[in-house]
Amino acid sequence: AQKITQTQPGMFVQEKEAVTLDCTYDTSDQSYGLFWYKQPSSGEMIFLIYQGSYDEQNATEGRYSLNFQKARKSANLVISASQLGDSAMYFCAMRERAYNTDKLIFGTGTRLQVFP
Amino acid sequence: NAGVTQTPKFQVLKTGQSMTLQCAQDMNHEYMSWYRQDPGMGLRLIHYSVGAGITDQGEVPNGYNVSRSTTEDFPLRLLSAAPSQTSVYFCASRQPGQGGDTEAFFGQGTRLTVV
Repeated sequence: AQKITQTQPGMFVQEKEAVTLDCTYDTSDQSYGLFWYKQPSSGEMIFLIYQGSYDEQNATEGRYSLNFQKARKSANLVISASQLGDSAMYFCAMRERAYNTDKLIFGTGTRLQVFP
Repeated sequence: NAGVTQTPKFQVLKTGQSMTLQCAQDMNHEYMSWYRQDPGMGLRLIHYSVGAGITDQGEVPNGYNVSRSTTEDFPLRLLSAAPSQTSVYFCASRQPGQGGDTEAFFGQGTRLTVV
């Protein structure tokens, strides 16, 4: 069965520093997608970045990058130059690519706090 | 462009009452889903739909019904509310991609309390 594990319940980082949020996953499928979402205190879910299992390069989106290590089944999110507005919950999620299904599995999240 | 709209934003129910959480999207997305978020447990999939007339169960479907009569709407029905259904509910939609995966767009959430 699919599973996403986020082992860091909370992380602190100083403004302008980089931070890595860990995510490991378990799946027996060869074709899958990995996602990171941000949930600020206001509650909405904001898509950050996506990595496909067959993508050879690590995904990047502005200050966000995904450190994808397929053999280790890890998909860590790296936020560079942290900002106060980055304080939020961060969720790693995975979806197996199967025909006519839409099952997105989430981890339990990491609460990031950025301090001045 | 409103995206995914959920109503109501807050609701208090008594045990045993029924109600429907509404979800509408204006992006013409084929796929829609419902999740619940409980403290410390992340989001869990309740039901999903890959098109009008097609629905399937997710991880935690018990106590909930769904139907998809139009592309735009995907209501979630609580048949007989229980305190264990106190949670924040999120609706999401996405358009499946041709050559790759696509992100889900989420509504603002509905905070439901069952007393």
